[in-house]
Amino acid sequence: GAGVSQSPSNKVTEKGKDVELRCDPISGHTALYWYRQRLGQGLEFLIYFQGNSAPDKSGLPSDRFSAERTGESVSTLTIQRTQQEDSAVYLCASSLQAGQGQSPLHFGNGTRLTVT
Amino acid sequence: DQQVKQNSPSLSVQEGRISILNCDYTNSMFDYFLWYKKYPAEGPTFLISISSIKDKNEDGRFTVFLNKSAKHLSLHIVPSQPGDSAVYFCAASSLPSGTYKYIFGTGTRLKVLA
Repeated sequence: GAGVSQSPSNKVTEKGKDVELRCDPISGHTALYWYRQRLGQGLEFLIYFQGNSAPDKSGLPSDRFSAERTGESVSTLTIQRTQQEDSAVYLCASSLQAGQGQSPLHFGNGTRLTVT
Repeated sequence: DQQVKQNSPSLSVQEGRISILNCDYTNSMFDYFLWYKKYPAEGPTFLISISSIKDKNEDGRFTVFLNKSAKHLSLHIVPSQPGDSAVYFCAASSLPSGTYKYIFGTGTRLKVLA
């Protein structure tokens, strides 16, 4: 399909393990975002990539969280030494452009992470 | 500090009637606002947006109103349909701030009763 693709759709992991979440944005979208939604909460901004600019990491909750993006394509969000409070749905979104005007975000279906 | 607030966690409306979802913000630098709809187990879907240079934007059954002086926006759905039952999020961003970080509210769950 032509939408944002995230994998895996569900991930159950033991406390203390590392996890890696993947996002394939819409082709041609230069901006990529990671958000998370904890149970009963709103969408919490984590990190934003735009082209070759330095990413905005201001939303990452701790140094256990990191994200990479290869050019204007795939991004991976890595959580090291997972804790139970990391349990959430992790949502990736992409948008056509940023810096020359606003455009809406297109979201994937998310990865539901459960830390036991 | 919650910069975007949706103070009503839920709303029930009869089919055919108007649904009004509200959103308040605190950052006067916000200049672009969006509404998203989210079904369970799916990502949010973009509905409608409005720039701060406008006070109203309409798309079919959906209209967004922006009151900059009150730092308030609302989404009107008329007529409401059972398929509109979902969680609705408002979001805001600020172009002048140089970052395109969209700040989301906590959502309002709309239930349209048949």
